[in-house]
Amino acid sequence: DSGVTQTPKHLITATGQRVTLRCSPRSGDLSVYWYQQSLDQGLQFLIQYYNGEERAKGNILERFSAQQFPDLHSELNLSSLELGDSALYFCASSGGGQGLDTQYFGPGTRLTVL
Amino acid sequence: QKEVEQDPGPLSVPEGAIVSLNCTYSNSAFQYFMWYRQYSRKGPELLMYTYSSGNKEDGRFTAQVDKSSKYISLFIRDSQPSDSATYLCASLRELTGGGNKLTFGTGTQLKVEL
Repeated sequence: DSGVTQTPKHLITATGQRVTLRCSPRSGDLSVYWYQQSLDQGLQFLIQYYNGEERAKGNILERFSAQQFPDLHSELNLSSLELGDSALYFCASSGGGQGLDTQYFGPGTRLTVL
Repeated sequence: QKEVEQDPGPLSVPEGAIVSLNCTYSNSAFQYFMWYRQYSRKGPELLMYTYSSGNKEDGRFTAQVDKSSKYISLFIRDSQPSDSATYLCASLRELTGGGNKLTFGTGTQLKVEL
C-alpha cells in the first residue's frame, strides 16, 4: 500500500459525459501528479500540482482539467468524453515540488466510456 | 522516437533464473532513473531508483545505469513466480518552473514459471 488513495475504482459512463476522479496523496506529500495509462500509449504524464498550484503540464487534453485543494487532495475532471478516453487513470504523490523526488502511485481509476 | 525505449516482451523464464530487463533513453536531461513493478490492473509500485551511473542493490534486485550509453538495466536474481508482473523503467527530469516529469517506457511483461 503506497498510501495514495483514489476513488472511484471503476467508472462506466457514456460519450459526451463528464466525470470527476479523486485522489488523496500520502500524508505529508505536497505534490500530486496525474497519469493516463492506455494499451496503445502506455503510461503518460498529464499534470502536476504542488501545494495547490499547477506546476507542470504534460499531454493533457483541453477537455481535461485538474485542481488541488487546500487539504491537498486533487481532482481530475474529464469532460465531453470520447471512446478513446477509456483508460486507467493514476494519481501519484511526492514530498516536494522543487527539485526531484520519487513518486508513489495510487491504485488507479478504471474509466470505461461506452 | 520515444524518449524511453523498452522491449515489451513478453519474457518467460523458469523459477530461479536471473532476469535482465533493459531500457534505453535519449534525453540527456534525465537525472533520476526508476524501476516500477505493476501487477495486472494495479498501480505501479516503486522498486528502485538511482541518480548516478553504476549499480544499486536491494535484496534480489540490482539496478544499473550507464549514463554514457544511456542504458538502464534491472537484474532480478533467484526469480520467483511472484515476480511475474510488468516492469516499467522510468526517467525523471526537472522542468523549467520547478516541476517534475516522469517518462515511462512501455513496460516489459515478465512471467516466471514453476
